[in-house]
Amino acid sequence: NAGVMQNPRHLVRRRGQEARLRCSPMKGHSHVYWYRQLPEEGLKFMVYLQKENIIDESGMPKERFSAEFPKEGPSILRIQQVVRGDSAAYFCASSLGGFEQFFGPGTRLTVL
Amino acid sequence: AQKVTQAQTEISVVEKEDVTLDCVYETRDTTYYLFWYKQPPSGELVFLIRRNSFDEQNEISGRYSWNFQKSTSSFNFTITASQVVDSAVYFCALSEAKAAGNKLTFGGGTRVLVKP
Repeated sequence: NAGVMQNPRHLVRRRGQEARLRCSPMKGHSHVYWYRQLPEEGLKFMVYLQKENIIDESGMPKERFSAEFPKEGPSILRIQQVVRGDSAAYFCASSLGGFEQFFGPGTRLTVL
Repeated sequence: AQKVTQAQTEISVVEKEDVTLDCVYETRDTTYYLFWYKQPPSGELVFLIRRNSFDEQNEISGRYSWNFQKSTSSFNFTITASQVVDSAVYFCALSEAKAAGNKLTFGGGTRVLVKP
């Protein structure tokens, strides 16, 4: 049973470009969380989605960031017009709906 | 609002020494879960333990042990006889039971450096 998969593992973008981060949850999991880890800091919650619905986006920056979890396919975290401050590790976690979350390996985004 | 504080930012020990990582949390809920995760230099998050708010029994798993004290809102983690492979950043986290999901609130992490 494959774990949570994230791709790409490393992403380099120039300022102003778009970044798309993908998360494939564990088989059977319909709940996805996204967290961001800035350099030398702990993880911060961004958004919680269930299939086709955003349930809690209280941690998402108001502009340039969006997330989706379509009926088919992976969850996508999209960052438009990236800036240097977006450089971070982005972790996705999936769950069956309970307290236990299974984390993916993360995507390291570097903005030049 | 919930909050997790890990006051120690970095701890350096010599191999075979014991090391205790402190975690203090704040929550208004009576039902919640506490977690510890390890983040080795490779960067992934490794789940170590989950404890619910109704279970104050301490737990031991090999060289790892956890001390949950509800009266002081603390959930401390001890590594006994540390090894170089224990070098990592350790995060304590809290999750409340909410209808809108169980998002985790993480502490700032404690970096543990075990020297040979």
